[in-house]
Amino acid sequence: AQSVSQHNHHVILSEAASLELGCNYSYGGTVNLFWYVQYPGQHLQLLLKYFSGDPLVKGIKGFEAEFIKSKFSFNLRKPSVQWSDTAEYFCAVTVNSGYSTLTFGKGTMLLVSP
Amino acid sequence: KAGVTQTPRYLIKTRGQQVTLSCSPISGHRSVSWYQQTPGQGLQFLFEYFSETQRNKGNFPGRFSGRQFSNSRSEMNVSTLELGDSALYLCASSLGFGTNSYEQYFGPGTRLTVT
Repeated sequence: AQSVSQHNHHVILSEAASLELGCNYSYGGTVNLFWYVQYPGQHLQLLLKYFSGDPLVKGIKGFEAEFIKSKFSFNLRKPSVQWSDTAEYFCAVTVNSGYSTLTFGKGTMLLVSP
Repeated sequence: KAGVTQTPRYLIKTRGQQVTLSCSPISGHRSVSWYQQTPGQGLQFLFEYFSETQRNKGNFPGRFSGRQFSNSRSEMNVSTLELGDSALYLCASSLGFGTNSYEQYFGPGTRLTVT
């Protein structure tokens, strides 16, 4: 069975700092990769996704992620964070099984101080 | 397009009782998945329904069950509630076929508290 690990449980940054959240998965076959964000009091929202093609994918709100197959990684980046980026970020993976089942990492709580 | 809706939003139950949660997917979506979110275990997959059939099931006891109706709406049921069932239950919908099957959209969740 596949698994996802997120390296940091809590990250604290100042506004304008750069962000990189690590995500590694374990699965030997073809995967689809996602980052979801959960703002305080709101539901999970899809930030970006990777199915195939260009390993550098761009999402909403200036976020991007890079899929490195050899490292089984899908790290999330943003050059300059804002206070409004304070949220919990989840990395998730599905395998090409025909099912929609998402396997999530434990999440990273990002706090951006103004 | 309206998003995924879940009812009720909050629920308080007593140990031993049963509970039914409801989910209405995005119009046109035929797959509905359920997840349990807790501080300790994070987000865990419960089951997925597609065209009224359970397509996949997570590692949860038989007290957790679900069903899907012909209009793609789904319900999940938890019988004989335990304190550990206190969680946020999330419903997600997707088209259910093709590459877009993997792109899921989540509802706001039902916060279940078992006392």
